[in-house]
Amino acid sequence: AQTVTQSQPEMSVQEAETVTLSCTYDTSESDYYLFWYKQPPSRQMILVIRQEAYKQQNATENRFSVNFQKAAKSFSLKISDSQLGDAAMYFCAYRSADFGNEKLTFGTGTRLTIIP
Amino acid sequence: GAVVSQHPSWVICKSGTSVKIECRSLDFQATTMFWYRQFPKQSLMLMATSNEGSKATYEQGVEKDKFLINHASLTLSTLTVTSAHPEDSSFYICSARTSGGINEQFFGPGTRLTVL
Repeated sequence: AQTVTQSQPEMSVQEAETVTLSCTYDTSESDYYLFWYKQPPSRQMILVIRQEAYKQQNATENRFSVNFQKAAKSFSLKISDSQLGDAAMYFCAYRSADFGNEKLTFGTGTRLTIIP
Repeated sequence: GAVVSQHPSWVICKSGTSVKIECRSLDFQATTMFWYRQFPKQSLMLMATSNEGSKATYEQGVEKDKFLINHASLTLSTLTVTSAHPEDSSFYICSARTSGGINEQFFGPGTRLTVL
């Protein structure tokens, strides 16, 4: 079974600064997807960014980028120019690429606080 | 696009009663929907995978007779908590999978269940 580990229960960053959230995972599969989701106080899960394991290039979405290290099974999220609206719980998630086995396995989350 | 709704957003019920939660994909057809449970300050735990027109697949440790799932159409899945007890109080979130591409999951806003 796949597992996802987020070792930072809480992180804080000064507004406009950069912060990196860590995530490691364990799998025996070679093809899979990795995701970062944001859960603000409203508790609505919002997809921040996704990475396809067969792609070597790190995904980027505006101020959000990932550092995907497949051999190390590491998938960190970098948030640049942090904004107050970035304050939320961030969950790393794994999903197999096998059709029919598409459930998401989530890490325990990192609570990000933005300091004005 | 890809909007998922849940109803109700919150519900309070007495112990021993049953509660039904609806999950709808509003602008796409979802052959597969997922039901998650989230306790306070914890991660999302998959309860079951719901496939249209067939029986749901439950995760280990989830009582299928207690958490009844029906996926009667391509846009609606329901979760019924039968004979609810205070320990069933939680935040229940559904997601719906799109078809094509990487079959991304989109999440509903969640339902907060409180059992007195």
